[in-house]
Amino acid sequence: KQEVTQIPAALSVPEGENLVLNCSFTDSAIYNLQWFRQDPGKGLTSLLLIQSSQREQTSGRLNASLDKSSGRSTLYIAASQPGDSATYLCAVKRDKIIFGKGTRLHILP
Amino acid sequence: GAVVSQHPSRVICKSGTSVKIECRSLDFQATTMFWYRQFPKKSLMLMATSNEGSKATYEQGVEKDKFLINHASLTLSTLTVTSAHPEDSSFYICSAQQVSNQPQHFGDGTRLSIL
Repeated sequence: KQEVTQIPAALSVPEGENLVLNCSFTDSAIYNLQWFRQDPGKGLTSLLLIQSSQREQTSGRLNASLDKSSGRSTLYIAASQPGDSATYLCAVKRDKIIFGKGTRLHILP
Repeated sequence: GAVVSQHPSRVICKSGTSVKIECRSLDFQATTMFWYRQFPKKSLMLMATSNEGSKATYEQGVEKDKFLINHASLTLSTLTVTSAHPEDSSFYICSAQQVSNQPQHFGDGTRLSIL
């Protein structure tokens, strides 16, 4: 049974710092891995999707990596801003999508 | 593009009421729609998968008679929580997918509160 773990559960950093969010999964037989952002009381916004054959994807200040063999992914956020404050969810897909519990990120102005 | 609209965004009602939540894909045809439930500080849990014109496939532990799902068209799926009770209070999110190898697009969710 696939399990997705995100560490840390919560993180507070000063504005401007670079930061890394971690995601691990137990079954490496995945089709893709996706990072989402969720604001309080809202739905999900897709940030980056990495296919199983890819190693990383970049969008603006965000970079996501995937090491399928070790069951790990990281989301790197450069030059963090207060507007980046949200919960970040990692999800892996094979026959269905399995989500982690998320990392609640707070960027201090 | 790829916008999914979920309605209503918030529902507060009395115990015993049935509540219907709509999920619409606005600019694409969704062959498959998914319904998730999210408890506070918990992962999103897949409740069921619905394909247009077919019966929904429910995940283990989800009562199909409690959570009725209809996917009558390629742009609309509905989730009806029948005879809702306080334990059904939760955040429900739908997603829609055009074809199986493409990303799912998520609605903004519905906060359901049963008094």
